[in-house]
Amino acid sequence: KQEVTQIPAALSVPEGENLVLNCSFTDSAIYNLQWFRQDPGKGLTSLLLIQSSQREQTSGRLNASLDKSSGRSTLYIAASQPGDSATYLCAVTTSGTYKYIFGTGTRLKVLA
Amino acid sequence: EPEVTQTPSHQVTQMGQEVILRCVPISNHLYFYWYRQILGQKVEFLVSFYNNEISEKSEIFDDQFSVERPDGSNFTLKIRSTKLEDSAMYFCASSVRLAETQYFGPGTRLLVL
Repeated sequence: KQEVTQIPAALSVPEGENLVLNCSFTDSAIYNLQWFRQDPGKGLTSLLLIQSSQREQTSGRLNASLDKSSGRSTLYIAASQPGDSATYLCAVTTSGTYKYIFGTGTRLKVLA
Repeated sequence: EPEVTQTPSHQVTQMGQEVILRCVPISNHLYFYWYRQILGQKVEFLVSFYNNEISEKSEIFDDQFSVERPDGSNFTLKIRSTKLEDSAMYFCASSVRLAETQYFGPGTRLLVL
């Protein structure tokens, strides 16, 4: 059964710092991995999607990497800003299924 | 930019009542999903829908739940007889194809009293 874990659960950093969020999954037979952002009481905003055949994806200040064999993905945020404060979720789909399995998220606070 | 919309944003209902949550997926998307998030817990998959039928459902999605695409644009989740533990944020999502990016709506916060 696929399980997704995110570490740390919460993170507080000063503005301008580069940071790394971690996601690990137990079953390496994934189809893809998606990173989301969730603001308090709001929906999920898709940030990056990495297919199982890819090693990384970049969008602006965000870079996500995927190491399927070790069951890990990282989300790198460069030059963090207070507007980046949110909960970041990773989710995976496993081959042969339609559903995303979500992690519990990392709650990020960027201090001005 | 096209987006998934959901109505209502909030719904309060009495235990045992039926509720219908509505979603309008992105227009050219073919796969539709419902997820839910109980306060403080993980987002959980409920059901996926493709070609006018359920393609996958979780153990949460029991006989009290049903989904429908009544016309070319709406996608609904019905809970026949709500329980206290159905209180959660319900998210609709859609994707163009399987294994493509899933785009989520803003959610409907359901409170069952």
